[in-house]
Amino acid sequence: QVQLKESGPGLVQPSQTLSLTCTVSGFSLTNYHVYWVRQPPGKGLEWMGIMWSDGATSYNSVLKSRLSISRDTSKSQVFLKMSSLQTEDTATYYCVRDLAVAPFDYWGQGVMVTVSS
Amino acid sequence: DIQMTQSPSFLSASVGDRVTINCKASQNINRYLNWYQQKLGEAPKVLIYNVNSLQTGIPSRFSGSGSGTDFTLTISSLQPEDVATYFCLQHNSWPRTFGGGTKLELK
Repeated sequence: QVQLKESGPGLVQPSQTLSLTCTVSGFSLTNYHVYWVRQPPGKGLEWMGIMWSDGATSYNSVLKSRLSISRDTSKSQVFLKMSSLQTEDTATYYCVRDLAVAPFDYWGQGVMVTVSS
Repeated sequence: DIQMTQSPSFLSASVGDRVTINCKASQNINRYLNWYQQKLGEAPKVLIYNVNSLQTGIPSRFSGSGSGTDFTLTISSLQPEDVATYFCLQHNSWPRTFGGGTKLELK
């Protein structure tokens, strides 16, 4: 069955770099896009970036200078790296599957990341 | 990016009440709108896709309507298990964007 699972550190110090992995199963990264989305505590969802099925990437302009998304199709993994973390980056981070005919149909369970010293 | 304005942000209702939640898009998104339910500590789940198509397994008390820029999610008779946050998602264009969410609680 389709699954996405985020993994990464729960705590990151300010100014450090966050590295998250989204491991997927039940579908191919070459057939579906994967979004990274985050949700600060008590707030709404914000799209961060997209790994397109063809390997291209797009980023939210607000985060673009700090964000990098990549993938390893052989391992069915999508990676997020975000630098210069601040307390306002504290959030639950989700990876989400997307396709024009099935938009945002499966979400990972999310990983809570706290930015604190 | 298309802006999605959702209202109300908070809603308190009683079991059996009819509940409506609205989403307004900053431009025409045709019928490319989904509704999600997110319970505390869980990942969001699709309730309705393309305005009014019920996802498999979702109770029929949930329904959706609208087109263009204005959309509504309706719960015909609120049940205790419906306590959650609800949000809309437009998929007319990339990037997908979200409503701010409606936190639904029992009165």
